[in-house]
This record gives sequence, structure tokens and C-alpha cells, in this order.
Amino acid sequence: DQQVKQNSPSLSVQEGRISILNCDYTNSMFDYFLWYKKYPAEGPTFLISISSIKDKNEDGRFTVFLNKSAKHLSLHIVPSQPGDSAVYFCAASPLPGGNEKLTFGTGTRLTIIP
Amino acid sequence: DTGVSQDPRHKITKRGQNVTFRCDPISEHNRLYWYRQTLGQGPEFLTYFQNEAQLEKSRLLSDRFSAERPKGSFSTLEIQRTEQGDSAMYLCASSTRSGTGELFFGEGSRLTVL
Repeated sequence: DQQVKQNSPSLSVQEGRISILNCDYTNSMFDYFLWYKKYPAEGPTFLISISSIKDKNEDGRFTVFLNKSAKHLSLHIVPSQPGDSAVYFCAASPLPGGNEKLTFGTGTRLTIIP
Repeated sequence: DTGVSQDPRHKITKRGQNVTFRCDPISEHNRLYWYRQTLGQGPEFLTYFQNEAQLEKSRLLSDRFSAERPKGSFSTLEIQRTEQGDSAMYLCASSTRSGTGELFFGEGSRLTVL
């Protein structure tokens, strides 16, 4: 039972354009959502998070949007840079601001084309 | 280097052998997590500690798996009588109680069971 789904295994975007990565979840108990980025041979690194009481959170080039009614969130990267090429994981927690027991999606491999 | 460190980075073993992984978290972090990642999947939660107390274990953590954090600092994850299905990347992460929900991951310990 995949509670957090990333239906696009891969995405290619031209440098300078916007990258949009999508994530859907099924468990309405999830209260906090995070995005992680992973380079080969490294552990995942935190990018940005959003609480269920918000619908948008922005940090520099990265913006996360949350649509609770649709159980959908997205990560926008603009402008995309070659260093953004990585695997991106969406994750969800049942607790407000919580980092316990994160449930991860299967990841989307983003490739930025110079 | 003040990040999360894991040892060994790679372990190849024969089916039926026992293996142990060690994780040293960021020193001021009181929470420590173990996740497992298999090919094409996102990290899956195994267990987590707050200080020396193991607060939650996933049903993925069979009786052959045991994790300890005896003094609330480093942690060990032992797998007894390894099976080929145990082949995976074992990720350790640490965090503080409050904050953005960010977990700081180590680079992982890759286990191959022949």
C-alpha cells in the first residue's frame, strides 16, 4: 500500500526553465510534508517542508504547494540549474512539524539539460 | 566532519551470517532513525530512538533485526541470519526534537547478501 506516490519516475527540463515535481498521498492523517534531494552515493538531504495548515512555502528557488482537498503537493524549482539534477523524494509525517516515521515516495529523477 | 557517519559503507556477506552497522549521529541530536532503501524505492522507516529509548519499530523490523542506542549517542543495527531479501541500503538519520522536521541522513551502509 503506497501511501505516498510519485508517479513520474523521471523528468527532464531545460536549464533556466521551471521544474515541477508532483506527489500524491492517500492517508488523510498526514500533517506535514517534506521534499528531499538525493545525489548518487549520498544520503538524502532536506530541501523544504510544509505544514498542512499552509498551502505554499517558499525558499529561494524552491516552492512547495499543498492542495489538501486533492491530497496533492508539488515542488517547483525555478530557474532550474544543472546542480539540481538528482532524485527527489516526497515524504509525509502524521505529526505537526514532525519528523517521526516519515513515509517516502519512490522518487523522481530530475535531469536538467544544459 | 560533523555530519551523520555510518560504518561500514559496504558489506558483502553470505546468507545466514550476522552483520552489524554502526551510526554516529550529529552530536547535539537526540533523535536517531534507521531507514532501509531498496532499488527503485524510497527510504522505508525501520525504527527510531529518542536518546537511548527506542520509541517505535516498524513491522518491517523482523525478529532478526535489533537496534540499540545504549548511551543515547551512537547506534547499532544488527541483522541476524541474513537473507538475500535483506540486501538494501541502510540509512541512519538524526534530528532534534523541534524544527522543520528535517532529518540529517548519513551516506548509508549498503548490504549485499549472497
